[in-house]
Amino acid sequence: SQQGEEDPQALSIQEGENATMNCSYKTSINNLQWYRQNSGRGLVHLILIRSNEREKHSGRLRVTLDTSKKSSSLLITASRAADTASYFCATDPIQGAQKLVFGQGTRLTINP
Amino acid sequence: GAVVSQHPSRVICKSGTSVKIECRSLDFQATTMFWYRQFPKQSLMLMATSNEGSKATYEQGVEKDKFLINHASLTLSTLTVTSAHPEDSSFYICSVTGDPTEAFFGQGTRLTVV
Repeated sequence: SQQGEEDPQALSIQEGENATMNCSYKTSINNLQWYRQNSGRGLVHLILIRSNEREKHSGRLRVTLDTSKKSSSLLITASRAADTASYFCATDPIQGAQKLVFGQGTRLTINP
Repeated sequence: GAVVSQHPSRVICKSGTSVKIECRSLDFQATTMFWYRQFPKQSLMLMATSNEGSKATYEQGVEKDKFLINHASLTLSTLTVTSAHPEDSSFYICSVTGDPTEAFFGQGTRLTVV
């Protein structure tokens, strides 16, 4: 399956700053999801945004979706050292039979 | 959400031997489970879709005779890496899908073939 693209591949910021990660994809989708992965662990679901939604919030997370540009962004506000992890977007293609397509991921490092 | 338990978390095996990885859905009956492989600092690559009571569906390029998948019940899928070689060393992760398509992942298995 084709992988989505994420940028940046790596991001290092100071604690308290905001972190923004971007995701682009290729096909029409039912929804787009963001996941977090700590080193050597499984993925944890963060947030899901449906194709008819443009923005969604969950705590310090804000996700936007632009289906015309086939892109999404994840904003983490007031970052904390514990936010250090890899973040992946995943799309649910309309004809994907429940198979999620994952982006390349962004490795986020929050410096105390 | 669903709780998925994967075992073992780490395994080291000798080249030529087989290794079995278990994926259990503890509180969710999963007719479908997914197996992924992840290389260091890379994304997840879907290997196969495990279907309860029937044959698994493998992605292009994945050898079905090397990566044997069995999904004998609604709560258990197993992935057996047969005749393992060092190039099979990787991080293997399973998942189940809830509604609508939110995925719940196991903790992953770090396989090292020596």
